[in-house]
Amino acid sequence: DAGVIQSPRHEVTEMGQEVTLRCKPISGHDYLFWYRQTMMRGLELLIYFNNNVPIDDSGMPEDRFSAKMPNASFSTLKIQPSEPRDSAVYFCASSTLLGTGEKLFFGSGTQLSVL
Amino acid sequence: TQLLEQSPQFLSIQEGENLTVYCNSSSVFSSLQWYRQEPGEGPVLLVTVVTGGEVKKLKRLTFQFGDARKDSSLHITAAQTGDTGLYLCAGETGGFKTIFGAGTRLFVKA
Repeated sequence: DAGVIQSPRHEVTEMGQEVTLRCKPISGHDYLFWYRQTMMRGLELLIYFNNNVPIDDSGMPEDRFSAKMPNASFSTLKIQPSEPRDSAVYFCASSTLLGTGEKLFFGSGTQLSVL
Repeated sequence: TQLLEQSPQFLSIQEGENLTVYCNSSSVFSSLQWYRQEPGEGPVLLVTVVTGGEVKKLKRLTFQFGDARKDSSLHITAAQTGDTGLYLCAGETGGFKTIFGAGTRLFVKA
């Protein structure tokens, strides 16, 4: 299995621009999570999906952030307009219900720098 | 708000030494996981503990879940340079939602 695939690995953009991060979960996993990691705040859960449906988006910072999952093999996280404080590493993770505690499989992340 | 506090935040030790890192919360979790993260990569799961008082061993790593399922510890025996990384504890809350502690950054010197 190729694991969770995220693109791009690095993104540098200017303030005000739209940014789109992409994620392909592990085939067969029915949960998908978007996390953001910074030195100050650690790993924060932004939103998660179950069977392509958003379940909890309470971690999404503000209306500038949106996430979609049009099918079981693809999700996007969009920031429009981007701001310097959005600079962070964004991780996508997928999972399936195991019944003995969660096991999240993470992608390698997208390092976002907003200038 | 459910929080997981990890200590210490940073630890630098010599190869061969033992160490323990801690994960504490005022909340009860249905399960707790430990992850290890290396630079430029996502966290990788080491272990999941589910039962209060549970102890799990993974080679030189020993994980313990508190009796009340609010805290956990990770003990590493005879640390090696390959153990260097960021160790994260994570708790599963209701609704299949996992929250993470801020992590303990471990550096093992040769």
